Amino acid sequence: KNEVEQSPQNLTAQEGEFITINCSYSVGISALHWLQQHPGGGIVSLFMLSSGKKKHGRLIATINIQEKHSSLHITASHPRDSAVYICAVSRNEKLTFGTGTRLTIIP
Amino acid sequence: NAGVTQTPKFQVLKTGQSMTLQCAQDMNHEYMSWYRQDPGMGLRLIHYSVGAGITDQGEVPNGYNVSRSTTEDFPLRLLSAAPSQTSVYFCASRMWGPGTGELFFGEGSRLTVL
Repeated sequence: KNEVEQSPQNLTAQEGEFITINCSYSVGISALHWLQQHPGGGIVSLFMLSSGKKKHGRLIATINIQEKHSSLHITASHPRDSAVYICAVSRNEKLTFGTGTRLTIIP
Repeated sequence: NAGVTQTPKFQVLKTGQSMTLQCAQDMNHEYMSWYRQDPGMGLRLIHYSVGAGITDQGEVPNGYNVSRSTTEDFPLRLLSAAPSQTSVYFCASRMWGPGTGELFFGEGSRLTVL
């Protein structure tokens, strides 16, 4: 079993829908990162969380340390949100990544 | 600021050749790291460094060497390339400290080993 599991692997939704991507991990961590990777490959950091909830524009990230679970929410989704979303956990200076969730937003 | 700069963006090698992927950052970040990304797998840590003169192995270090002589630069060396090293490589940096700091990634280097 991978240390970091993301679900779903693929998600297709209509423009405007509320999107939730989940990340579960099996080890103690010091922080969790949400990343976005667009076609063409560049990776951008969206959030770094060690507790609670963070919001940036239409994106919201939450983490429950006791349950070892984090969610990334996108409100009012837009075709430009189409990308791969990657969860990564930080432990002892090392990052372990999930395999990503491919999100496609249809106009 | 340029952020994290990786070169080259594309490279084709023959088995047994050597090369160096360059990574430089201008944000005075102590922590720098190299990852490889393969289809169907998550990014995997190759090597990392928490400051000049300090490096350590990640999950998949075999076949790769690193050094950190300055805060700004963290090159990744392939001494004898193998087809299994065909991948997309990313360099990333952040402020140092357990789990602290936003990650900044380079644009990636696509390496093909024939």
